[in-house]
Amino acid sequence: DTGVSQDPRHKITKRGQNVTFRCDPISEHNRLYWYRQTLGQGPEFLTYFQNEAQLEKSRLLSDRFSAERPKGSFSTLEIQRTEQGDSAMYLCASSHRQGRDEQFFGPGTRLTVL
Amino acid sequence: AQSVAQPEDQVNVAEGNPLTVKCTYSVSGNPYLFWYVQYPNRGLQFLLKYITGDNLVKGSYGFEAEFNKSQTSFHLKKPSALVSDSALYFCAVRDRGDYKLSFGAGTTVTVRA
Repeated sequence: DTGVSQDPRHKITKRGQNVTFRCDPISEHNRLYWYRQTLGQGPEFLTYFQNEAQLEKSRLLSDRFSAERPKGSFSTLEIQRTEQGDSAMYLCASSHRQGRDEQFFGPGTRLTVL
Repeated sequence: AQSVAQPEDQVNVAEGNPLTVKCTYSVSGNPYLFWYVQYPNRGLQFLLKYITGDNLVKGSYGFEAEFNKSQTSFHLKKPSALVSDSALYFCAVRDRGDYKLSFGAGTTVTVRA
């Protein structure tokens, strides 16, 4: 399968714990995005990487959230001291270097904070 | 700023009938417009996009969309709906000078046999 992959698919954690999600983009894509989707809503942009550089962060991304893409390939999204309001689907997407290209989405990681 | 409105939460049609899912957008510059479909417990699947040129865009699975600049709309259409088209549909926009997508809230399409 050459699509975007995300791991884990589901994560249940207790409030206050830290969690980390991984995204592997399509191999030739140099752009990587993270979005968050809550029930009944469309995805909301969190952050964007071009190669290893994080070029934009949404105001939705509080200080408890951090994302990395250390070698310009896979990316991780960490949430520290999770809160119940962090419960959502976290989607990763990637796109080619051409500005017109569509973003291809992974299956998402569903986070439940108890 | 960029935003998308999908005025209908749900659309119900009979199999074989035409399907339309409405979308209007707002951007400060010229838009890139996209439609995605989401099946239960799955990620978003790309259907089609408008970048430039012909206002009628054809995409996957027999779907098409018409870009209307004066009405700032990008409605998704399918001439003859199938039961398997039942899913959640999202319209998205981004300004040509930007990379992030702004999505609508989604429209649930139900096609009855």
